[in-house]
Amino acid sequence: KQEVTQIPAALSVPEGENLVLNCSFTDSAIYNLQWFRQDPGKGLTSLLLIQSSQREQTSGRLNASLDKSSGRSTLYIAASQPGDSATYLCAVRITGNQFYFGTGTSLTVIP
Amino acid sequence: GAGVSQSPRYKVAKRGQDVALRCDPISGHVSLFWYQQALGQGPEFLTYFQNEAQLDKSGLPSDRFFAERPEGSVSTLKIQRTQQEDSAVYLCASSLGGLAYTSSTDTQYFGPGTRLTVL
Repeated sequence: KQEVTQIPAALSVPEGENLVLNCSFTDSAIYNLQWFRQDPGKGLTSLLLIQSSQREQTSGRLNASLDKSSGRSTLYIAASQPGDSATYLCAVRITGNQFYFGTGTSLTVIP
Repeated sequence: GAGVSQSPRYKVAKRGQDVALRCDPISGHVSLFWYQQALGQGPEFLTYFQNEAQLDKSGLPSDRFFAERPEGSVSTLKIQRTQQEDSAVYLCASSLGGLAYTSSTDTQYFGPGTRLTVL
């Protein structure tokens, strides 16, 4: 069974700092990897999707990388803002309908 | 609709009661997923529908859990004889394509979830 691990479990940074969230997975046979954001009491919002053939994706201040062979992905957030405070989840898709999520990193950006 | 909606948002049940959770996916979306998210954990896959067909129910934890999507749009997740360990947030997600959709860029759109508390 695919296992997805996210480190750290929680992170607190001052506003303006750049930060990196880590995601690792045990089975490299994936279709894609997605990073989601989850705000308290709300569902998940997709941030970035990286196909298995890609190395990275960028959207605004966010950059996600994928190293499929080593089973790792990172989400880089530049110039963090208090509005970035949320839980960040990564998920891997291994077949047409199977998705495995990590346990998330809870991010707090301090004004 | 504009997004995926779920109802009720909160449900409190006494142990042994049956509950029904509803999901309204984005109109026209072929795929529908149900997930269970325990406190402090990531979502765990429960079941998958392509239109009205339930193609994968391997994640359902017991035969007390039942899901349906009879007309290929709205879906209901039913839990019979609820137990305390069923307490969790139940998330529904939909995506545009089905299994035959060859692109791997098909993203899931999530609803806000139903928080179930079993006393």
